[in-house]
Amino acid sequence: KAGVTQTPRYLIKTRGQQVTLSCSPISGHRSVSWYQQTPGQGLQFLFEYFSETQRNKGNFPGRFSGRQFSNSRSEMNVSTLELGDSALYLCASSFGTDENTEAFFGQGTRLTVV
Amino acid sequence: AQSVAQPEDQVNVAEGNPLTVKCTYSVSGNPYLFWYVQYPNRGLQFLLKYITGDNLVKGSYGFEAEFNKSQTSFHLKKPSALVSDSALYFCAVRDNNQGGKLIFGQGTELSVKP
Repeated sequence: KAGVTQTPRYLIKTRGQQVTLSCSPISGHRSVSWYQQTPGQGLQFLFEYFSETQRNKGNFPGRFSGRQFSNSRSEMNVSTLELGDSALYLCASSFGTDENTEAFFGQGTRLTVV
Repeated sequence: AQSVAQPEDQVNVAEGNPLTVKCTYSVSGNPYLFWYVQYPNRGLQFLLKYITGDNLVKGSYGFEAEFNKSQTSFHLKKPSALVSDSALYFCAVRDNNQGGKLIFGQGTELSVKP
């Protein structure tokens, strides 16, 4: 069974540009969450999607957005990139939305903003 | 507000010795607790979870965790450490007010020396 797949693995972008990251969840999983990991802030929740609907959103500016498609694949978009957006972006999928369900993470997309 | 604390930034253990990585939590309602491990340049791998029932939870790679309600702790343990266990370990709790959102501790770097 394939795991969570994130593409691309690495990205280098210039300040002011925008970027789109992609996440394909484990087959059968309908919930997708996104996290930002930085050395200073640790792991921070961005948003969660289930059945194409955003269920929860973290404390990030509106430049960060996402969506989920009918096949459960998800994308997140960051517009007007800032240097501080450099981070490892992790996607996690889970079967449902129950609190007792574990989430499985992809390998992440390493975004560097220069 | 729900939170997780990992009081040690780094834990050093000799190979073959038992290891403990500490985690304390603060939640309203039932705690749903998880441990994840992260190897360099990789995503998070699920190790184990506590939902309800036995206070000693067994997980992957010989790891186990002890849930202690009175001390609000969920320490990760392994009877005999391996050099390959060296990695970054994260404790996490579900945010009971926000569905699938995970709240992570800041992480503990485990170093196992031969």
